[in-house]
Amino acid sequence: SQQGEEDPQALSIQEGENATMNCSYKTSINNLQWYRQNSGRGLVHLILIRSNEREKHSGRLRVTLDTSKKSSSLLITASRAADTASYFCATAEAQKLVFGQGTRLTINP
Amino acid sequence: EAGVVQSPRYKIIEKKQPVAFWCNPISGHNTLYWYRQNLGQGPELLIRYENEEAVDDSQLPKDRFSAERLKGVDSTLKIQPAELGDSAVYLCASSLGAGSYNEQFFGPGTRLTVL
Repeated sequence: SQQGEEDPQALSIQEGENATMNCSYKTSINNLQWYRQNSGRGLVHLILIRSNEREKHSGRLRVTLDTSKKSSSLLITASRAADTASYFCATAEAQKLVFGQGTRLTINP
Repeated sequence: EAGVVQSPRYKIIEKKQPVAFWCNPISGHNTLYWYRQNLGQGPELLIRYENEEAVDDSQLPKDRFSAERLKGVDSTLKIQPAELGDSAVYLCASSLGAGSYNEQFFGPGTRLTVL
């Protein structure tokens, strides 16, 4: 079963624009992680945010977490063609990661 | 440093045939995971190993799936017999430790097609 639900399921933007993806989940978590998957590099860990953190940055990535609403968002700024991929949130419960269905992001040149 | 290695990358079989997937984790990673990813979905955990011990196999369909990690290093996942619904990408991942704060490193996956 999958806990996280990403929204939107698909997103298409122009290169240089910002992309925002949202993730909602149902149960208490230890942390929430975002992964990227493309055909070239497989599934790659992007960023982890702990349950007691509200915001985290890594390069062009900004992640927020609202545990009261059980939701998270991933913002990619100044998008590039190489950002075209599927993005998954994964909630960490005990020692287990539960992935959402993903958002398919397409960056148009 | 080599990443997680999986083979084969692609496999096409007839239903009711057996199939096996192999995974070699990153050197030194004690925890190994097998996931199944259906088309358009996120990965779902099948089994997690701590060294050679399967510590979470609650999602493994044990009537037809089996896995082993005999020496606590590489691992094999087997399906016998395969069904049409088993068509998916099977991903192996490894991490230094078991806790959810340990980053999981994924292999390229094996894409299984059951005809």
